[in-house]
Amino acid sequence: EVQLVQSGAEVKKPGESLKISCKGSGYSFTSYWIGWVRQMPGKGLEWMGIIYPGDSDTRYSPSFQGQVTISADKSISTAYLQWSSLKASDTAMYYCARFLSVGAAVADLGYFDYWGQGTLVTVSS
Amino acid sequence: DIQMTQSPSSLSASVGDRVTITCRASQGISNSLAWYQQKPGKAPKLLLYAASRLESGVPSRFSGSGSGTDYTLTISSLQPEDFATYYCQQYYSTLLTFGGGTKVEIK
Repeated sequence: EVQLVQSGAEVKKPGESLKISCKGSGYSFTSYWIGWVRQMPGKGLEWMGIIYPGDSDTRYSPSFQGQVTISADKSISTAYLQWSSLKASDTAMYYCARFLSVGAAVADLGYFDYWGQGTLVTVSS
Repeated sequence: DIQMTQSPSSLSASVGDRVTITCRASQGISNSLAWYQQKPGKAPKLLLYAASRLESGVPSRFSGSGSGTDYTLTISSLQPEDFATYYCQQYYSTLLTFGGGTKVEIK
């Protein structure tokens, strides 16, 4: 059974750093892209970026490029999303999801078939 | 960016009703469209991809259709467990974008 298990909720102050995780199991972790999706309180879904754990190839949405860092440790089947300096506007639920790439030549065309349970990040002074 | 506009933003329906949700893209997306269901406090769940292909395990009362810029998600007979928010997502462009969501509520 494919499972993505995310780390627990976090409460942080503005300016602090944070790294949240997403551990995959039940499939070949290095053979599928993993993506991150943000959902701000009461709002819709926003794609942040994807990473291929096999070689750490990473693609970012322009809206999130430079704002977050996506990484992965294939030895422990875990992907990460991190911030170096949080803002109040980073308060949101963050989901990781397995990304099915449909583009033979362009990897970052696809959709998300399995999702983690979400990690709530609250940034408040 | 390809903008995805869903309509309506919310609807009220009864168990057994036929429900249709529309997703309009700002340019043609050649059936590169997925639909998700999200229940309160839960992660989204994939329902359909390639506009009309049902994900494994998803009930057959869900169906998708469309072409070009206009796509629809239909629930043929609404069940109590279908009350949720539904999102479309295009993957024609590498800047993946979601629709704003349609909340299906109990009448």
